[in-house]
Amino acid sequence: DTGVSQDPRHKITKRGQNVTFRCDPISEHNRLYWYRQTLGQGPEFLTYFQNEAQLEKSRLLSDRFSAERPKGSFSTLEIQRTEQGDSAMYLCASSLTIGGPETQYFGPGTRLLVL
Amino acid sequence: GQNIDQPTEMTATEGAIVQINCTYQTSGFNGLFWYQQHAGEAPTFLSYNVLDGLEEKGRFSSFLSRSKGYSYLLLKELQMKDSASYLCAVGRLTGGGNKLTFGTGTQLKVEL
Repeated sequence: DTGVSQDPRHKITKRGQNVTFRCDPISEHNRLYWYRQTLGQGPEFLTYFQNEAQLEKSRLLSDRFSAERPKGSFSTLEIQRTEQGDSAMYLCASSLTIGGPETQYFGPGTRLLVL
Repeated sequence: GQNIDQPTEMTATEGAIVQINCTYQTSGFNGLFWYQQHAGEAPTFLSYNVLDGLEEKGRFSSFLSRSKGYSYLLLKELQMKDSASYLCAVGRLTGGGNKLTFGTGTQLKVEL
């Protein structure tokens, strides 16, 4: 399968714990995006990378959130000192810029529940 | 900022045609995208429009009028498996990337 993959698919944690999610984009896709989606809402942009450079971060991304894409391939999203309000689906998407509006392809998401 | 509106719910009959509307306000417009999302799953790309007019892809078509800030997704020959949420998203250039802002989605229910 050459689609976007995310790990883990589900995560339950206690408030105050740190969690880390991984995203593996479609091979050779140079852009990688992170979104967050809560029930009944559309995905909300968090941050994106072009290769290994993080080019924009949403105001939604507090200091407790950090994302990396060290080698321009997979990416990690870490949440420190989790809060109940962090409970959501975290979606990763990747795209390849070859001219024209790029199309983002989403992974299956990581569903986080903070108790 | 950006504002995207689409109906919350729609119901249609198997075999029929349904049109899901989306209106938006944005700056730096870089495409209008439609995604399908089944419950508990990730959004799946359906189509996009950059220029005004109709784009057809099998049973799905999407229309865009940039001057009116309006798009619709047309689904023909509805099947039960088309029951899902349909997300309208507006792309905006940011630092070279295409940041998508999504509407809340239209939950489509296809009935017999």
